[in-house]
Amino acid sequence: LAKTTQPISMDSYEGQEVNITCSHNNIATNDYITWYQQFPSQGPRFIIQGYKTKVTNEVASLFIPADRKSSTLSLPRVSLSDTAVYYCLVGDGAYSGGGADGLTFGKGTHLIIQP
Amino acid sequence: GAVVSQHPSWVICKSGTSVKIECRSLDFQATTMFWYRQFPKQSLMLMATSNEGSKATYEQGVEKDKFLINHASLTLSTLTVTSAHPEDSSFYICSARDRGTGSNEQFFGPGTRLTVL
Repeated sequence: LAKTTQPISMDSYEGQEVNITCSHNNIATNDYITWYQQFPSQGPRFIIQGYKTKVTNEVASLFIPADRKSSTLSLPRVSLSDTAVYYCLVGDGAYSGGGADGLTFGKGTHLIIQP
Repeated sequence: GAVVSQHPSWVICKSGTSVKIECRSLDFQATTMFWYRQFPKQSLMLMATSNEGSKATYEQGVEKDKFLINHASLTLSTLTVTSAHPEDSSFYICSARDRGTGSNEQFFGPGTRLTVL
């Protein structure tokens, strides 16, 4: 599984757009990039997944450059409730970040949103 | 959407006792469930993979005799922490994969906070 590197923490303000970048220099050809969100004392929640270019859903966008060695999770107009830890995972297989195995979580990015 | 529940949500026990944590897929069948452990301010660490009807596969460094996993049905997996000690205090999270969709997406439970006194 490709190792990922994210900023340990970030902070922003309500209403702003937040971009969290993840580096995965050793990403393999059949690896997908998946982002999860975790609130304190809760299980992780799937946010978005992509393979290349741009993916958008109702909560976020994921930008992946052509070389796929990094990816950026974009949260539009954040609110206080977006304060959480965001994990970037890389692995083969749709929605898994780890193929047939369990997921390998890195340290994640602790995002703090202030009023 | 797919829902996974855990019971109990929190438990406090004395050192040396055993604690059972249940993980249920409420609206889908799960042939594979995963158990994770998360210490304060740390990331999730995969403990084991639980397959219905077969023995669990444990990650390196996880004692299979201490963390007993049973996946007796397509909707239930249990994790039993035997002879618990204070260092076993942690947040235990399970996830499940929907057998019906063929997707590898994992749905996470809300977690169980274990405190061993």
